[in-house]
Amino acid sequence: DVKVTQSSRYLVKRTGEKVFLECVQDMDHENMFWYRQDPGLGLRLIYFSYDVKMKEKGDIPEGYSVSREKKERFSLILESASTNQTSMYLCASSLRVTEAFFGQGTRLTVV
Amino acid sequence: QKEVEQNSGPLSVPEGAIASLNCTYSDRVSQSFFWYRQYSGKSPELIMSIYSNGDKEDGRFTAQLNKASQYVSLLIRDSQPSDSATYLCAVNYGGSQGNLIFGKGTKLSVKP
Repeated sequence: DVKVTQSSRYLVKRTGEKVFLECVQDMDHENMFWYRQDPGLGLRLIYFSYDVKMKEKGDIPEGYSVSREKKERFSLILESASTNQTSMYLCASSLRVTEAFFGQGTRLTVV
Repeated sequence: QKEVEQNSGPLSVPEGAIASLNCTYSDRVSQSFFWYRQYSGKSPELIMSIYSNGDKEDGRFTAQLNKASQYVSLLIRDSQPSDSATYLCAVNYGGSQGNLIFGKGTKLSVKP
């Protein structure tokens, strides 16, 4: 079975903190994704990586950065957390044009 | 802006009926299409993938793709209360790289 693991299930951070969300996949997938999900807005793509050290901005990259130093790991960084970044964050991975598999999600609250 | 559109619902069907979920997409070069089910508080799980025009059946689920009309649908036969969830349509827009864009989802409620 494909396994995508996110480092935390729940996280509470203070405004202005630098926040790291980690995601690891064990299926040698080329693609990895970070989405955030908010009620009424669906899944919105923050960043997408199609290879090590390669990244593409999604629909809402502002306030976020990413790092992919190894194929199996894709990190999402909130440079200076703000309350409007309170959300459910979902990591996924896939082969080139096939289905994506999701991690369990991280519910981040910024206070 | 590449888009995936779904009716947000809620769609309510009685137990045992057929539930029909629809999705349209904006980019003709899209080559792969997926349906995910998401229960409240959980992450999406894949239920169907479809890559070519026509129908694809898997148990009680049938995915239908019409590339000329840029339309993909999901039929759930003999709907069960456990099928109550939000169904997400996803489209691969990234060519060889495989970028994946989701619709906002349709909430399905199956009444006993």
